[in-house]
Amino acid sequence: DAGITQSPRHKVTETGTPVTLRCHQTENHRYMYWYRQDPGHGLRLIHYSYGVKDTDKGEVSDGYSVSRSKTEDFLLTLESATSSQTSVYFCAISESTRYGYTFGSGTRLTVV
Amino acid sequence: GENVEQHPSTLSVQEGDSAVIKCTYSDSASNYFPWYKQELGKRPQLIIDIRSNVGEKKDQRIAVTLNKTAKHFSLHITETQPEDSAVYFCAASYDKVIFGPGTSLSVIP
Repeated sequence: DAGITQSPRHKVTETGTPVTLRCHQTENHRYMYWYRQDPGHGLRLIHYSYGVKDTDKGEVSDGYSVSRSKTEDFLLTLESATSSQTSVYFCAISESTRYGYTFGSGTRLTVV
Repeated sequence: GENVEQHPSTLSVQEGDSAVIKCTYSDSASNYFPWYKQELGKRPQLIIDIRSNVGEKKDQRIAVTLNKTAKHFSLHITETQPEDSAVYFCAASYDKVIFGPGTSLSVIP
């Protein structure tokens, strides 16, 4: 389905615990992105990657880290989850910065 | 960094009428302007895009215009249908895509 999958689809975790979300693509696209979506804020960029081991920060990177050891996988880690990180997280892929994204189905994360 | 504003935040139109959503961006280096549609509970999907060397682009009932001097771009939907009801996001990109806050469009049958 669209060559991009996110896992898990839903997760409930406790404050202070580490959480890792996974994005997997089969399109061999160079660029991968993590966004969070909250009411009234649209989609805000957390981190992005422009190649294996090449990553950079987005608008709201505090409290998040990423890794990309293979072209197909981009991991987002919340080192110590907080309630403010309750959100829907979308991964996206693109061939270049001047082409549209394909989004994953999203991960709904609840931090209690 | 880039900042994208979008208006209106909500929009209701009668079926068959036109809908217009307007966006402004701050970074004059931005050169790619996509629009996404997100239906309730689903992922955003690209519906149309425009690059900085083009002033207007049309795809069936959807058109986008770009004014680089004023740093404005707009989405126009004609002959709206109930299935056009969704949240629409504009975005601007130079090295990464920054999204506007979204417009919730309701098309009333």
